[in-house]
Amino acid sequence: EAQVTQNPRYLITVTGKKLTVTCSQNMNHEYMSWYRQDPGLGLRQIYYSMNVEVTDKGDVPEGYKVSRKEKRNFPLILESPSPNQTSLYFCASSFADRVNYGYTFGSGTRLTVV
Amino acid sequence: GQQLNQSPQSMFIQEGEDVSMNCTSSSIFNTWLWYKQEPGEGPVLLIALYKAGELTSNGRLTAQFGITRKDSFLNISASIPSDVGIYFCAGHRLYNFNKFYFGSGTKLNVKP
Repeated sequence: EAQVTQNPRYLITVTGKKLTVTCSQNMNHEYMSWYRQDPGLGLRQIYYSMNVEVTDKGDVPEGYKVSRKEKRNFPLILESPSPNQTSLYFCASSFADRVNYGYTFGSGTRLTVV
Repeated sequence: GQQLNQSPQSMFIQEGEDVSMNCTSSSIFNTWLWYKQEPGEGPVLLIALYKAGELTSNGRLTAQFGITRKDSFLNISASIPSDVGIYFCAGHRLYNFNKFYFGSGTKLNVKP
């Protein structure tokens, strides 16, 4: 089944403790992106990647890092999480030449930073 | 960043009623998409629109790409309980190819 898989689904952590949210897709998509969803703000782009070793900032990149060493994986790294990063995170992917056709989204990771 | 104004924020309707929601922007888009998000899941694409004035249906759902390119509308006819969820609009520009701009969502509640 074609899908985007995120792990973990739920995570509670403490301020300052580094964490990684994994994202993997099995559709051979070049483009991958991370979004965060907050009440009343919709989905805001954190980082995106057009292909392996090519990443760039979205609208809200502060406090996050990403890497794209393999085509299928696009982990989101929070080096020193803070409470304002409590949010629902989505990974998304598409073919690079069909981004305007829309993304396939993962099921989300609900992160709470205390 | 660019904001899409989506309304209404939430709706409480009776099963069988029709539903309308819309998104507006201060600037134009080349693509409008409509997604549905169910509890505990990621958004799923419902309808994609690529031309001004385009009207596209997907079952009981119908969406339109506004003539001005600054708005889009989604209608759901004869709503059923499984229509419950959050509906998002998303706009895309060709010259800013790497991202979509999302509305804040319309939360739909359907009473059986």
